[in-house]
Amino acid sequence: NAGVTQTPKFQVLKTGQSMTLQCAQDMNHEYMSWYRQDPGMGLRLIHYSVGAGITDQGEVPNGYNVSRSTTEDFPLRLLSAAPSQTSVYFCASSPTAGGYGYTFGSGTRLTVV
Amino acid sequence: QKEVEQDPGPLSVPEGAIVSLNCTYSNSAFQYFMWYRQYSRKGPELLMYTYSSGNKEDGRFTAQVDKSSKYISLFIRDSQPSDSATYLCAMRLSYSGAGSYQLTFGKGTKLSVIP
Repeated sequence: NAGVTQTPKFQVLKTGQSMTLQCAQDMNHEYMSWYRQDPGMGLRLIHYSVGAGITDQGEVPNGYNVSRSTTEDFPLRLLSAAPSQTSVYFCASSPTAGGYGYTFGSGTRLTVV
Repeated sequence: QKEVEQDPGPLSVPEGAIVSLNCTYSNSAFQYFMWYRQYSRKGPELLMYTYSSGNKEDGRFTAQVDKSSKYISLFIRDSQPSDSATYLCAMRLSYSGAGSYQLTFGKGTKLSVIP
C-alpha cells in the first residue's frame, strides 16, 4: 500500500550509541519531515526537506542529522544517543512544501538507556 | 505563552453526544488550520483542513476558524466509540516566507466516547 514506511518500529539504544531511523515514501512527495512526540510536549519538528538534496533544521535539531539523496528516502541519524532522545519519532510527507495534507508514518518508539 | 494552546483533556462523552474540541493560538500570521486524529500507537492522520476563517463540514465533522479571536474548533456530531482518539490541532503560515513549511501542533486532546 502507498504511504510512509518507518523502520524499525521499536528500538532500545545505550547512551552514546548511534543509529539511523529509516523513512521511505512511495507517493513521489517533495516534502518530507521528521517529528518527535513526547508526553506533554506535542509534536516538534526536527528536520525537514523540500526536495532531494535540500534539508533544513526545525525546532529541535540538536543531536540529529539528515540527508535526502533520493525523493523517496529521508533517514534520520542519531549521532550519539542520549536519554533525552527517548521519544516516538514520526516521519511525514506532503506533495509539496506548501501542502498541508501531511501523511504520517506509524512511528518509531526509541528508548535510550 | 505557547503559540498553540490545546486542552489535553481527557474528555469523556457518551455515544451520540456532540463533541467540541478547541485550540487557541497567538500568531495572527497563521493561515492554514488542520485537525489530525491519532489513534493509540499510530501516526496522526489528517481529518480536516481550512484556510483562513470560516467553516468546513465533512460528514459528522465540522471545523471552524475564527481568526479575529484566534480560536479554532472541531465539532463531532453523533459521536461513536470509534472516534475515541487523540485530536491534534495544527496550523501553518501562508505558503511564502521563512518558516512557512513548519506545522505548529497543539499538544492534543484525548477523547473517549463511551458506548
